[in-house]
Amino acid sequence: GENVEQHPSTLSVQEGDSAVIKCTYSDSASNYFPWYKQELGKRPQLIIDIRSNVGEKKDQRIAVTLNKTAKHFSLHITETQPEDSAVYFCAASKRSGYSTLTFGKGTMLLVSP
Amino acid sequence: DTEVTQTPKHLVMGMTNKKSLKCEQHMGHRAMYWYKQKAKKPPELMFVYSYEKLSINESVPSRFSPECPNSSLLNLHLHALQPEDSALYLCASSRDAGGATGELFFGEGSRLTVL
Repeated sequence: GENVEQHPSTLSVQEGDSAVIKCTYSDSASNYFPWYKQELGKRPQLIIDIRSNVGEKKDQRIAVTLNKTAKHFSLHITETQPEDSAVYFCAASKRSGYSTLTFGKGTMLLVSP
Repeated sequence: DTEVTQTPKHLVMGMTNKKSLKCEQHMGHRAMYWYKQKAKKPPELMFVYSYEKLSINESVPSRFSPECPNSSLLNLHLHALQPEDSALYLCASSRDAGGATGELFFGEGSRLTVL
Protein backbone atom coordinates (compact mmCIF):
# COMPACT_ATOMS: atom_id res chain seq x y z
CA GLY A 1 0.00 0.00 0.00
CA GLU A 2 0.86 3.67 -0.10
CA ASN A 3 3.25 5.12 2.50
CA VAL A 4 3.57 8.88 3.00
CA GLU A 5 6.48 10.34 4.94
CA GLN A 6 6.26 13.95 6.16
CA HIS A 7 8.97 16.24 7.52
CA PRO A 8 9.55 18.05 9.74
CA SER A 9 7.26 16.98 12.56
CA THR A 10 7.45 20.46 14.10
CA LEU A 11 8.39 23.78 12.55
CA SER A 12 8.77 27.10 14.33
CA VAL A 13 9.10 30.32 12.33
CA GLN A 14 8.87 34.02 12.94
CA GLU A 15 5.95 35.94 11.52
CA GLY A 16 6.75 36.98 7.95
CA ASP A 17 9.15 34.11 7.33
CA SER A 18 8.49 31.32 4.84
CA ALA A 19 7.69 27.75 5.87
CA VAL A 20 8.28 24.61 3.85
CA ILE A 21 6.90 21.16 4.62
CA LYS A 22 7.99 18.15 2.60
CA CYS A 23 6.37 14.81 1.86
CA THR A 24 7.41 11.71 -0.03
CA TYR A 25 5.16 8.92 -1.24
CA SER A 26 5.86 5.36 -2.26
CA ASP A 27 3.15 4.37 -4.77
CA SER A 28 3.89 5.67 -8.26
CA ALA A 29 0.20 5.19 -9.12
CA SER A 30 -0.83 7.94 -6.69
CA ASN A 31 -2.06 10.95 -8.60
CA TYR A 32 -3.78 13.27 -6.13
CA PHE A 33 -1.94 15.13 -3.37
CA PRO A 34 -3.94 17.33 -1.00
CA TRP A 35 -2.79 19.32 2.00
CA TYR A 36 -5.04 19.68 5.04
CA LYS A 37 -4.76 22.22 7.84
CA GLN A 38 -6.09 21.29 11.26
CA GLU A 39 -6.31 23.91 13.95
CA LEU A 40 -6.49 22.78 17.55
CA GLY A 41 -9.86 21.19 18.27
CA LYS A 42 -11.08 21.75 14.70
CA ARG A 43 -11.70 19.62 11.64
CA PRO A 44 -9.07 19.08 8.95
CA GLN A 45 -9.68 21.48 6.08
CA LEU A 46 -8.31 21.29 2.57
CA ILE A 47 -6.04 24.24 1.84
CA ILE A 48 -4.56 23.25 -1.51
CA ASP A 49 -4.20 20.19 -3.68
CA ILE A 50 -2.30 19.15 -6.78
CA ARG A 51 -2.73 16.44 -9.37
CA SER A 52 -0.01 14.46 -11.04
CA ASN A 53 -0.36 16.26 -14.36
CA VAL A 54 0.71 19.56 -12.76
CA GLY A 55 4.09 20.52 -11.31
CA GLU A 56 3.13 23.53 -9.24
CA LYS A 57 0.02 25.26 -7.98
CA LYS A 58 -0.35 28.55 -6.11
CA ASP A 59 -3.13 30.12 -4.11
CA GLN A 60 -2.14 33.48 -2.63
CA ARG A 61 0.50 32.78 0.05
CA ILE A 62 0.34 29.02 -0.37
CA ALA A 63 1.96 26.92 -3.07
CA VAL A 64 2.49 23.23 -3.63
CA THR A 65 5.13 21.64 -5.85
CA LEU A 66 5.20 18.07 -7.10
CA ASN A 67 8.13 16.06 -8.43
CA LYS A 68 6.67 12.82 -9.81
CA THR A 69 10.05 11.36 -10.69
CA ALA A 70 11.34 11.74 -7.16
CA LYS A 71 7.88 11.05 -5.67
CA HIS A 72 7.88 14.04 -3.43
CA PHE A 73 5.73 17.11 -2.96
CA SER A 74 6.08 20.17 -0.80
CA LEU A 75 3.94 22.88 0.76
CA HIS A 76 5.30 26.42 0.75
CA ILE A 77 3.77 29.16 2.87
CA THR A 78 5.13 32.66 2.40
CA GLU A 79 4.74 35.68 4.69
CA THR A 80 3.55 33.47 7.53
CA GLN A 81 1.07 34.85 10.04
CA PRO A 82 0.18 33.67 13.56
CA GLU A 83 -3.13 32.33 12.25
CA ASP A 84 -1.16 29.90 10.07
CA SER A 85 -0.24 28.06 13.27
CA ALA A 86 -1.80 24.60 13.02
CA VAL A 87 -1.01 21.00 12.17
CA TYR A 88 -0.60 20.40 8.45
CA PHE A 89 -1.14 16.97 6.92
CA CYS A 90 -0.08 15.94 3.46
CA ALA A 91 -1.81 13.03 1.78
CA ALA A 92 -1.75 10.95 -1.37
CA SER A 93 -4.33 8.89 -3.18
CA LYS A 94 -5.09 7.14 -6.44
CA ARG A 95 -8.05 7.96 -8.65
CA SER A 96 -10.94 5.71 -7.86
CA GLY A 97 -14.63 6.01 -7.24
CA TYR A 98 -13.91 7.23 -3.76
CA SER A 99 -11.05 8.86 -1.95
CA THR A 100 -8.62 6.55 -0.16
CA LEU A 101 -6.21 9.11 1.20
CA THR A 102 -3.05 8.04 2.97
CA PHE A 103 -1.99 10.81 5.34
CA GLY A 104 1.45 11.81 6.47
CA LYS A 105 2.05 12.04 10.22
CA GLY A 106 1.59 15.80 10.26
CA THR A 107 3.68 18.92 10.87
CA MET A 108 2.92 21.25 13.74
CA LEU A 109 3.66 24.77 12.48
CA LEU A 110 4.10 27.49 15.08
CA VAL A 111 4.32 31.07 13.84
CA SER A 112 5.57 33.47 16.49
CA PRO A 113 4.61 37.16 16.33
CA ASP B 1 -24.52 23.89 1.84
CA THR B 2 -20.92 22.68 2.10
CA GLU B 3 -21.18 21.27 5.57
CA VAL B 4 -20.81 17.83 7.03
CA THR B 5 -22.67 17.80 10.33
CA GLN B 6 -21.85 15.41 13.14
CA THR B 7 -23.67 14.71 16.38
CA PRO B 8 -23.01 14.54 19.21
CA LYS B 9 -19.94 16.75 19.52
CA HIS B 10 -18.93 15.05 22.75
CA LEU B 11 -19.83 11.61 24.08
CA VAL B 12 -18.82 9.86 27.29
CA MET B 13 -19.76 6.21 27.59
CA GLY B 14 -19.02 3.21 29.71
CA MET B 15 -17.66 -0.02 28.34
CA THR B 16 -21.06 -1.69 28.51
CA ASN B 17 -23.03 1.11 26.87
CA LYS B 18 -24.46 1.22 23.36
CA LYS B 19 -24.37 4.57 21.61
CA SER B 20 -24.37 5.94 18.07
CA LEU B 21 -22.57 8.71 16.23
CA LYS B 22 -24.43 10.44 13.43
CA CYS B 23 -23.29 12.25 10.32
CA GLU B 24 -25.23 14.15 7.68
CA GLN B 25 -24.34 15.91 4.43
CA HIS B 26 -26.51 17.57 1.82
CA MET B 27 -23.93 18.17 -0.89
CA GLY B 28 -25.08 15.26 -3.00
CA HIS B 29 -21.84 13.42 -2.28
CA ARG B 30 -22.03 9.70 -2.89
CA ALA B 31 -19.06 8.57 -0.81
CA MET B 32 -18.97 8.88 2.98
CA TYR B 33 -16.26 7.94 5.43
CA TRP B 34 -15.53 7.33 9.07
CA TYR B 35 -12.07 8.25 10.35
CA LYS B 36 -10.60 7.86 13.82
CA GLN B 37 -8.09 10.44 15.03
CA LYS B 38 -6.00 10.17 18.15
CA ALA B 39 -4.29 13.22 19.60
CA LYS B 40 -1.36 14.50 17.52
CA LYS B 41 -1.90 11.77 14.91
CA PRO B 42 -3.32 11.83 11.38
CA PRO B 43 -6.84 10.60 10.69
CA GLU B 44 -7.03 6.82 10.24
CA LEU B 45 -9.57 5.46 7.80
CA MET B 46 -12.13 3.09 9.31
CA PHE B 47 -14.93 2.67 6.76
CA VAL B 48 -15.89 3.90 3.30
CA TYR B 49 -19.41 3.85 1.89
CA SER B 50 -19.81 4.39 -1.82
CA TYR B 51 -23.33 4.75 -3.19
CA GLU B 52 -24.66 3.62 0.21
CA LYS B 53 -22.73 0.34 0.05
CA LEU B 54 -19.86 -0.53 2.36
CA SER B 55 -16.78 -0.47 0.13
CA ILE B 56 -13.92 -0.50 2.61
CA ASN B 57 -13.62 -1.83 6.14
CA GLU B 58 -10.08 -1.29 7.35
CA SER B 59 -10.14 -4.33 9.65
CA VAL B 60 -12.10 -2.41 12.26
CA PRO B 61 -13.22 -4.41 15.33
CA SER B 62 -16.86 -5.47 15.29
CA ARG B 63 -17.63 -3.30 18.31
CA PHE B 64 -17.81 -0.52 15.69
CA SER B 65 -20.74 -1.02 13.32
CA PRO B 66 -21.35 1.44 10.47
CA GLU B 67 -24.68 2.05 8.81
CA CYS B 68 -25.67 4.14 5.82
CA PRO B 69 -29.48 4.56 5.85
CA ASN B 70 -29.46 6.80 2.76
CA SER B 71 -27.12 8.87 0.65
CA SER B 72 -27.12 11.77 3.13
CA LEU B 73 -26.73 9.93 6.41
CA LEU B 74 -24.00 7.85 7.98
CA ASN B 75 -24.10 6.31 11.44
CA LEU B 76 -21.50 4.59 13.58
CA HIS B 77 -22.93 2.28 16.22
CA LEU B 78 -20.75 1.70 19.25
CA HIS B 79 -20.98 -1.23 21.64
CA ALA B 80 -18.67 -2.70 24.26
CA LEU B 81 -15.92 -0.20 23.54
CA GLN B 82 -12.56 -0.11 25.28
CA PRO B 83 -10.85 2.91 26.85
CA GLU B 84 -8.30 2.86 24.00
CA ASP B 85 -11.17 3.61 21.61
CA SER B 86 -11.34 7.11 23.06
CA ALA B 87 -10.60 9.45 20.16
CA LEU B 88 -12.03 12.03 17.81
CA TYR B 89 -14.27 10.34 15.25
CA LEU B 90 -14.46 12.25 12.01
CA CYS B 91 -17.05 11.79 9.33
CA ALA B 92 -16.22 12.92 5.82
CA SER B 93 -17.77 12.94 2.39
CA SER B 94 -16.54 13.26 -1.16
CA ARG B 95 -18.06 13.64 -4.59
CA ASP B 96 -18.07 10.27 -6.28
CA ALA B 97 -18.68 10.44 -9.96
CA GLY B 98 -16.11 8.21 -11.56
CA GLY B 99 -13.82 11.16 -12.09
CA ALA B 100 -13.73 11.90 -8.37
CA THR B 101 -11.95 15.07 -7.25
CA GLY B 102 -10.74 13.22 -4.21
CA GLU B 103 -11.42 16.20 -1.93
CA LEU B 104 -12.70 15.14 1.46
CA PHE B 105 -15.05 17.38 3.38
CA PHE B 106 -14.73 16.66 7.08
CA GLY B 107 -17.24 17.19 9.83
CA GLU B 108 -16.15 18.77 13.13
CA GLY B 109 -15.96 15.36 14.71
CA SER B 110 -17.41 13.59 17.72
CA ARG B 111 -15.03 13.42 20.65
CA LEU B 112 -15.55 10.08 22.34
CA THR B 113 -14.38 9.19 25.83
CA VAL B 114 -14.75 5.59 26.99
CA LEU B 115 -14.57 5.10 30.74
